[in-house]
Amino acid sequence: NAGVTQTPKFQVLKTGQSMTLQCAQDMNHNSMYWYRQDPGMGLRLIYYSASEGTTDKGEVPNGYNVSRLNKREFSLRLESAAPSQTSVYFCASSAVSLSGANVLTFGAGSRLTVL
Amino acid sequence: SQKIEQNSEALNIQEGKTATLTCNYTNYSPAYLQWYRQDPGRGPVFLLLIRENEKEKRKERLKVTFDTTLKQSLFHITASQPADSATYLCAPYNAGNMLTFGGGTRLMVKP
Repeated sequence: NAGVTQTPKFQVLKTGQSMTLQCAQDMNHNSMYWYRQDPGMGLRLIYYSASEGTTDKGEVPNGYNVSRLNKREFSLRLESAAPSQTSVYFCASSAVSLSGANVLTFGAGSRLTVL
Repeated sequence: SQKIEQNSEALNIQEGKTATLTCNYTNYSPAYLQWYRQDPGRGPVFLLLIRENEKEKRKERLKVTFDTTLKQSLFHITASQPADSATYLCAPYNAGNMLTFGGGTRLMVKP
């Protein structure tokens, strides 16, 4: 059972280049998320998709775009990368648990360096 | 503004002892709070969830408490083992603000 799969695992970009981080889940979850993790800052929500066909901004959406391609896939795009976007990016998905709470399943992360 | 505080300094304890990690939050009224474990180079993994009307939750050697008056959750690992060494993240949930994570506390259990 793969869970949440992210690609690529590592990427180095130059300032101004664009790239897309891919995420796919095989758990039939409705909701998907993109977080970034920086030292001392915790995980910060960039964008989320509560269900197929919807996307919403999180805490730090500037400089990013997302696409919920179908129920399985949620991609994150950097149109013009900046050094401030150097970070580890995590994709996650969730289904509402029996207790009514959202429990997240995370991917392994994508480490992005912008020079 | 909303804030989640976890001790950013590593917690070092001896094997067999109880580890206690603290999560304080401000300007939140979370309906529930979750704890995750994160190992180096990997994504967080869900451990436990506790609701606002629950004082305590247990799972094997793990125990979580939730004090909505103090705005604090404590995470305990009893009979700790070196394999428990990891970073532990707390995540209060507020319906208007989704799941928001603290910076995590790194636990080191020495044999």
